[in-house]
Amino acid sequence: NAGVTQTPKFQVLKTGQSMTLQCAQDMNHEYMSWYRQDPGMGLRLIHYSVGAGITDQGEVPNGYNVSRSTTEDFPLRLLSAAPSQTSVYFCASTSVGQGHGYTFGSGTRLTVV
Amino acid sequence: AQSVTQLDSHVSVSEGTPVLLRCNYSSSYSPSLFWYVQHPNKGLQLLLKYTSAATLVKGINGFEAEFKKSETSFHLTKPSAHMSDAAEYFCVLYSGAGSYQLTFGKGTKLSVIP
Repeated sequence: NAGVTQTPKFQVLKTGQSMTLQCAQDMNHEYMSWYRQDPGMGLRLIHYSVGAGITDQGEVPNGYNVSRSTTEDFPLRLLSAAPSQTSVYFCASTSVGQGHGYTFGSGTRLTVV
Repeated sequence: AQSVTQLDSHVSVSEGTPVLLRCNYSSSYSPSLFWYVQHPNKGLQLLLKYTSAATLVKGINGFEAEFKKSETSFHLTKPSAHMSDAAEYFCVLYSGAGSYQLTFGKGTKLSVIP
């Protein structure tokens, strides 16, 4: 089924550990982005990419890295996890032809202890 | 600067009564506006979108929204609430200028009382 696939769905990390959240889409969308969702805050943009090889920072980029080597994949790396990064992470994609209607993944619930 | 304000953090309605979720926006450009719904522990699903065509937009599951430029509003309505409508709703702004970036409201949690 066409869509945005995120893995893992759940993850518990210890403070200082690193990990990569995976995101893949099979709709040939040029634009991909990562958001974090915290209670009462809505969703906030972490990083985004407008195409393979092109990434940029969003509103809350500190502590996260991204890369975009292919159109399909857009992994998010936590370099040294902190309790403040406990959140639900969503990956989203779109293309100009979608009228900017974004398709979201089902999310990764991350807890840092 | 772009911003979205959802005027109610929580709305409670009885099943079968109308739903009104309020959203105001601020944008330096001609906006595209969306409503997304998120059911508990699920991802976000697009309900409807306004992209400078008709100002009254119909979405899925009987929802609709009206874009009012003079009031900078994009309120979401439904004539008759159903138990399955209980969820969190996000008003979202795309302000253009080639950035592809979305600005989210903080969400309105809709409760439906049987």
